[in-house]
Amino acid sequence: NAGVTQTPKFRILKIGQSMTLQCTQDMNHNYMYWYRQDPGMGLKLIYYSVGAGITDKGEVPNGYNVSRSTTEDFPLRLELAAPSQTSVYFCASVWVGTANTEAFFGQGTRLTVV
Amino acid sequence: LAKTTQPISMDSYEGQEVNITCSHNNIATNDYITWYQQFPSQGPRFIIQGYKTKVTNEVASLFIPADRKSSTLSLPRVSLSDTAVYYCPNAGNMLTFGGGTRLMVKP
Repeated sequence: NAGVTQTPKFRILKIGQSMTLQCTQDMNHNYMYWYRQDPGMGLKLIYYSVGAGITDKGEVPNGYNVSRSTTEDFPLRLELAAPSQTSVYFCASVWVGTANTEAFFGQGTRLTVV
Repeated sequence: LAKTTQPISMDSYEGQEVNITCSHNNIATNDYITWYQQFPSQGPRFIIQGYKTKVTNEVASLFIPADRKSSTLSLPRVSLSDTAVYYCPNAGNMLTFGGGTRLMVKP
């Protein structure tokens, strides 16, 4: 059981380039999240999804886009990368039903924009 | 919007019990309270979850008073390997984490 898988693990982008961070979960979870974590700081929510076809902005959505065409996949798109987007990005999923359950996180993608 | 508040940092020594308290402003009636642990260069990991009173598992205890306006994570007899950041995230659709509590365990 793989859980939450993120690719790539590391990436260096030049200013103005674009890329997609991939996130896949195999637990049939309905909710999925994208966070960024700057050095020494907590996690900031970028976007989240409560189910396939439904996405919504989090705390820091500017400069990012997401889609959720399937239950399993929740890619994060960076358009026109900027140095301020240098960070570690985490994807998470959780089943939200009659009772909350634990969120599972991927191992992260370390992105550097130069 | 529900929001949690917790101390920025705490220090402890090996073998001591550590209690980290979180205040839960505007927690919804059906929301559970969860705690996570994060080591450097890793994603957060679930520790414990509860709704009311006390919950205990193999790594921690969670105390929640009847009014559910706060919760206390208790780590018994900490070791150096418990040095990490501990989060009590806001519940609800937007699972937001805030800055967490940075626990430093000293020898």
